[in-house]
Amino acid sequence: SQTIHQWPATLVQPVGSPLSLECTVEGTSNPNLYWYRQAAGRGLQLLFYSVGIGQISSEVPQNLSASRPQDRQFILSSKKLLLSDSGFYLCAWSVRGTGEAFFGQGTRLTVV
Amino acid sequence: GDSVTQMEGPVTLSEEAFLTINCTYTATGYPSLFWYVQYPGEGLQLLLKATKADDKGSNKGFEATYRKETTSFHLEKGSVQVSDSAVYFCALRDYGSSNTGKLIFGQGTTLQVKP
Repeated sequence: SQTIHQWPATLVQPVGSPLSLECTVEGTSNPNLYWYRQAAGRGLQLLFYSVGIGQISSEVPQNLSASRPQDRQFILSSKKLLLSDSGFYLCAWSVRGTGEAFFGQGTRLTVV
Repeated sequence: GDSVTQMEGPVTLSEEAFLTINCTYTATGYPSLFWYVQYPGEGLQLLLKATKADDKGSNKGFEATYRKETTSFHLEKGSVQVSDSAVYFCALRDYGSSNTGKLIFGQGTTLQVKP
């Protein structure tokens, strides 16, 4: 069966520090991968998606970047965090051609 | 562009009450529609889906019918339980996103069920 792992679960980082959140998927090949952000009291905003290794599409301009170094690994990064980067970050995957997405448990990031 | 609008919450109900959470959408083409549920501190789980007009998705006592004429996909449950307390998200995937699988989410509706 397929599983998605996302870590860490919580993170408190100072303003200006770097960020690296990692997500891996098991039990499937060539998945579409996504990073979403959920700000407090708000809906989900798609940040990045990837349809293959090294292929990253950004949905909104921001202080973050994403990379996909391996087929089932998706990394969200920042060189210098801003207060506005605080939120709940969710990684997800889907099988190409379907709309059903499977989500990780999320990372709660607080920038102080 | 495509969008999803949900009724604002929080929705507070007593146990065994009837639930309706409204969801309407704007899309070009023929989207697939989804309801996701997020329990406190967790990621999202797919609750149900419908891929074409008049389809009814159902799961765990929840139902939603894809209404093309009213561009709606309202979530209903006949008798809610305390364990249904969560945030519910309506989402669509437009036909043009069949390869990318991008989902567009509504803002979420918080449901609180009291014993």
